[in-house]
Amino acid sequence: QKEVEQDPGPLSVPEGAIVSLNCTYSNSAFQYFMWYRQYSRKGPELLMYTYSSGNKEDGRFTAQVDKSSKYISLFIRDSQPSDSATYLCAMSKSTGNQFYFGTGTSLTVIP
Amino acid sequence: KAGVTQTPRYLIKTRGQQVTLSCSPISGHRSVSWYQQTPGQGLQFLFEYFSETQRNKGNFPGRFSGRQFSNSRSEMNVSTLELGDSALYLCASSLDLSGANVLTFGAGSRLTVL
Repeated sequence: QKEVEQDPGPLSVPEGAIVSLNCTYSNSAFQYFMWYRQYSRKGPELLMYTYSSGNKEDGRFTAQVDKSSKYISLFIRDSQPSDSATYLCAMSKSTGNQFYFGTGTSLTVIP
Repeated sequence: KAGVTQTPRYLIKTRGQQVTLSCSPISGHRSVSWYQQTPGQGLQFLFEYFSETQRNKGNFPGRFSGRQFSNSRSEMNVSTLELGDSALYLCASSLDLSGANVLTFGAGSRLTVL
């Protein structure tokens, strides 16, 4: 079993929809949680970064972490065609610099 | 501020050959990590270098190796290439502050093994 599980999709939504992306994990040592966005033929770029449990909002994006359930989510409000990309969740422990990634969810926002 | 630069961007090799990939981190970033990305497995951690020393290593065979130079630039090498080594190889750099760090990725080197 992988330490980080992510539904690969693909996910297709109409423009303006609310998108929910999720990951589960098994290692309770994870303390830092991130979401990366990866466009085709590009490297991943950081979208959101959270520490421990709670919510964090940045514009149309909201990241939620529930450590008791070992579950993290990314919500995208008013989705735009430019949001079409692969979204990767990532997490790391309190020490060390090794990150554990989900396999990514492919999202298409249809105009 | 220049980002993480990886070269070459694309390359094709045949089984049994070896390949060297290069990564120049963001100026001031001393930690460089390498990841292999494939459709089925996603991003898998290869290794991390800091101050020219390998600090962490993932579960890859010894055919995968790397090094870091005094200017923080890094290279990774894959010897005796196998078809399964076809992947996007991503380099990422970070400041290596206490606590968690944020990885900044390059665009990757796409390796095709025939």
